[in-house]
Amino acid sequence: EAGVAQSPRYKIIEKRQSVAFWCNPISGHATLYWYQQILGQGPKLLIQFQNNGVVDDSQLPKDRFSAERLKGVDSTLKIQPAKLEDSAVYLCASSPGTSGKETQYFGPGTRLLVL
Amino acid sequence: AQSVTQLDSQVPVFEEAPVELRCNYSSSVSVYLFWYVQYPNQGLQLLLKYLSGSTLVKGINGFEAEFNKSQTSFHLRKPSVHISDTAEYFCAVSEQGGSEKLVFGKGTKLTVNP
Repeated sequence: EAGVAQSPRYKIIEKRQSVAFWCNPISGHATLYWYQQILGQGPKLLIQFQNNGVVDDSQLPKDRFSAERLKGVDSTLKIQPAKLEDSAVYLCASSPGTSGKETQYFGPGTRLLVL
Repeated sequence: AQSVTQLDSQVPVFEEAPVELRCNYSSSVSVYLFWYVQYPNQGLQLLLKYLSGSTLVKGINGFEAEFNKSQTSFHLRKPSVHISDTAEYFCAVSEQGGSEKLVFGKGTKLTVNP
């Protein structure tokens, strides 16, 4: 079974530029998550989708971050414009359902450096 | 809202020694508890989880954890570590019945030395 795929693996941009990340979850998983992991901290949930609907985006900085999962499968996360403090690893995860007891399966992450 | 405290940011040990990584949580409701491991340049993977029932939970790679409700702890243990256990370990909690989103601790970097 293929795991969660993410691209690109690394990205370096200047502040105020825009950037987009892509995630393809495990086949058949209804729930998709985007996390931000700043160096020295644990992952923080940015947004959670169930199929193509948003379940939780309370910690997404909506003035600059946006995410979509139009067909309920793969997803993109965009930052526009980027700030220095956005430098982090962006992790995508998926799970079969939405229950908090479910195991989340993580991709390898996209490491973003904003200069 | 729930929170997680991992008391040690770094734990160095020698190979074949026992190790305990500490985790305490805070929540006003019942919780599910998880330990995830992150190897260098990889995503997180589940080591073990506590949902209900027996408070001693066994996971992959010889790890186990014990849920202690009175002390609100979920410490991770392994009786004899290997070089390959060098990684970052994250404790996480989700609250039952609410949003059930996963909240992570800051992580503990375990370094196993020969």
